[in-house]
This record gives sequence, structure tokens and C-alpha cells, in this order.
Amino acid sequence: DAGVIQSPRHEVTEMGQEVTLRCKPISGHNSLFWYRQTMMRGLELLIYFNNNVPIDDSGMPEDRFSAKMPNASFSTLKIQPSEPRDSAVYFCASSLFSGGNTDTQYFGPGTRLTVL
Amino acid sequence: GQQLNQSPQSMFIQEGEDVSMNCTSSSIFNTWLWYKQDPGEGPVLLIALYKAGELTSNGRLTAQFGITRKDSFLNISASIPSDVGIYFCAGDTILSGNTGKLIFGQGTTLQVKP
Repeated sequence: DAGVIQSPRHEVTEMGQEVTLRCKPISGHNSLFWYRQTMMRGLELLIYFNNNVPIDDSGMPEDRFSAKMPNASFSTLKIQPSEPRDSAVYFCASSLFSGGNTDTQYFGPGTRLTVL
Repeated sequence: GQQLNQSPQSMFIQEGEDVSMNCTSSSIFNTWLWYKQDPGEGPVLLIALYKAGELTSNGRLTAQFGITRKDSFLNISASIPSDVGIYFCAGDTILSGNTGKLIFGQGTTLQVKP
């Protein structure tokens, strides 16, 4: 079974450019999470979806960040315009949430974003 | 807010030594998870714990869900060089409203000297 797929693996862009990160969750999973990881702040939850619906976006830093999940097999995280402080590794994770015990989140390999 | 305090922040040990790390919180947790992250990769689940007092092993790894539901530890026995990485605890609290949302500790960086 394929795990969580993220693309691109690496992205280098210039300040002010739009950046789009993509994620394909594990087939059959109904929850999808976007995280950001930096040395200073560790792993931060940005937003998560349940059955394609955004449930909590309180971790999204500011209006420059937006996320969509048009269907169960695809999600995007967009930064527009990007700034150097957005440089980080962005992870997507998915899980099968059944409302009982929290199910394991499976992480993708991440996208390393560098904004110059 | 809900926070996980993970310690130690980093460890540098000799191959063959045992390792212990833990996470504590002021909140009560429903689930405790332990992940390992290798350089350049995403976190990978090592052990999942679902009941207070539960003790679970996975090879050389052993983890326990604290009886108070506010802490958990992870032990690695007879460490080897490939144990190098960052170990994260994570869990969901009763305050999460049964949403599947996880809180992560800050991570323990483990280095093993051959």
C-alpha cells in the first residue's frame, strides 16, 4: 500500500511568489492534517480536515496560508505571497478516524520549503 | 493551553546503552503515541497506547501509558546506531473533543556513538 504522498519534496522560491504543496492521503483515510516543522517551534498543526471538511484551522499562521481538500484523495496547502519566515518542512498526515480511540496518523515524507 | 513536556531534549549515548525518555502534561490523555523521525523523513509510528497503565513492547522498544493518564515513557534497550533520530510523543486529550487531533511533544534527539 502506498503511504501518504507529498509533492514536491523540495521547493525553493523567491519571496512574494505563490507556493502550492500537494498531498495524497492513504486511500480510505478520512482525516487529513497539515503540519509545519521548524527547529524553533517543532511540529505545529496548521489545519485538519475530516471527510474533506476543514475542522480546525486555528493553527494557520495568517491569511497568506490557505488549504483545500476538494476530494478524499487530494489536498493542497497554498502560501501566497510567500515570505522567508515560511521556510520550513511541511508535512501532511492522514488517519482513519472512527470517533473512538484516536487512530494513528501516518505522515508523508514532507516538503522542504525554502523562501529566499 | 494543552502542552506536552518531553524530556530530555537530547541524548548522546554509547552503543549498547539503554535509553529512557518521557512526556508529561497537566491534561488527561486518551491516547499516547510515540513516533521516530529519521533525517529528511516524516515521523513514523513506533508504539500506540490506548489505556491507562498499558505497557507495550515493539522489539527493543517499550512504552507505557501512565496510570494518571498525564504521562508516558519510552525505553529503548541495547541501543544501536540506527536508533539515531528524533523521537516524538503525541496524544489526544479529553479537551480535544474526540476529534482525532494530536498534540506533539518537542522531541528528543538521540545520537548513538558506535
